[in-house]
Amino acid sequence: GAVVSQHPSWVICKSGTSVKIECRSLDFQATTMFWYRQFPKQSLMLMATSNEGSKATYEQGVEKDKFLINHASLTLSTLTVTSAHPEDSSFYICSARDQNPYTEAFFGQGTRLTVV
Amino acid sequence: GEDVEQSLFLSVREGDSSVINCTYTDSSSTYLYWYKQEPGAGLQLLTYIFSNMDMKQDQRLTVLLNKKDKHLSLRIADTQTGDSAIYFCAERPSGGYNKLIFGAGTRLAVHP
Repeated sequence: GAVVSQHPSWVICKSGTSVKIECRSLDFQATTMFWYRQFPKQSLMLMATSNEGSKATYEQGVEKDKFLINHASLTLSTLTVTSAHPEDSSFYICSARDQNPYTEAFFGQGTRLTVV
Repeated sequence: GEDVEQSLFLSVREGDSSVINCTYTDSSSTYLYWYKQEPGAGLQLLTYIFSNMDMKQDQRLTVLLNKKDKHLSLRIADTQTGDSAIYFCAERPSGGYNKLIFGAGTRLAVHP
């Protein structure tokens, strides 16, 4: 299958700082990228959907000013957690697919964020 | 509403079959998926089934869909230690082709 790479795999940051997570599609053009959040022993919750060159669509309850998503190219989307707090500590996973909405979306390996 | 439920834990002996169950609520879901997540890793698509199918088999994996009861199951034959992981069931609601609704995941533990 296609490859989606996330960076970093894990990050520890101080409370109040911002953290940027990258999601790259390595061998296809990712027209659409999805960002999920996973709490321990819980399921993945979709945070937002981003289409290349457009503003992201956020799910209900997700603060768009706190979780900034940029999808400026067909191979890269970034999620920036601004003014991070300990409650933002979680596992963040991206997935990406090409322009066909019915094709499979491929997942990155995830980023574990710990805010201390 | 949209909701997917799974049992949280399953323990099986190596060589036995594992059956992981899932129920969903959206009867108009078009596709149903099974993903595997190993520790610290992202999700790997194992298999999927279109909503007009009853069964799909892929090597050691068998997916059964009971659309009337909105019940999906994943059977893993000859379970190996490498199958130990969390298995997520997910549905794709009709008209929501951008969105997958995931269950909480079933942790499969395989012991000798």
